[in-house]
Amino acid sequence: QVQLEQSGVEVKRPGASVKVSCKASAYTFTNYFITWVRQAPGQGLEWMGWISPYNGHINYSQNFQGRVTMTTDTSASTAYMELRSLKSDDTAMYYCARLRNGWVIDSWGQGTLVTVSS
Amino acid sequence: DVQMTQSPSSLSASVGDRVTITCRASQGISNYLAWYQQKPGKVPTVLIYDASTLQSGVPSRFSGSGSGTDFTLTISSLQPEDVATYYCQKYNSAPLTFGPGTKVDIK
Repeated sequence: QVQLEQSGVEVKRPGASVKVSCKASAYTFTNYFITWVRQAPGQGLEWMGWISPYNGHINYSQNFQGRVTMTTDTSASTAYMELRSLKSDDTAMYYCARLRNGWVIDSWGQGTLVTVSS
Repeated sequence: DVQMTQSPSSLSASVGDRVTITCRASQGISNYLAWYQQKPGKVPTVLIYDASTLQSGVPSRFSGSGSGTDFTLTISSLQPEDVATYYCQKYNSAPLTFGPGTKVDIK
């Protein structure tokens, strides 16, 4: 079945950057958009943006514009999300997910916990 | 941007009760609405899409309705395994905004 395997826990200092990876398997990577969603501890879901592995088309949430970069490596069926200038309130679980036709999320990665602390 | 609100923010109901959660969009989004369930400590999963289409494998006690700006998720007979937070999400266009969530537990 569809799997999205994310990289492991990250601990970063304020001002640093983090890059989370998301390796897809059991489907044709270029046929589906990848989206990123984050969830701060005890809080709700926040959409960060999406990327098309087929043509690189990107749409970032205004909340992250200028601080986030989403990329893909189609040869490795892997998506990446880099967040820069980290602050303590960027501490969250970061999920990659697959968007099927109509932009519904039908598969999620297991999440990557990013902690920002001095 | 379209804002999504949900009510109530939390509820407590008895096993077997009918539970209704409301989601409202600040502008019309046709039927481009999904409902997700997130059980404690778990990854979200989709329950309903296109406002009223049940995702394959989801129990039939879950149903969705609505169009435009007002939507509902109904659990016809609450079960212990339904303890979770439920989120609506619009997907007519970016940003794919989520509602703030409704936490459901058992009385």
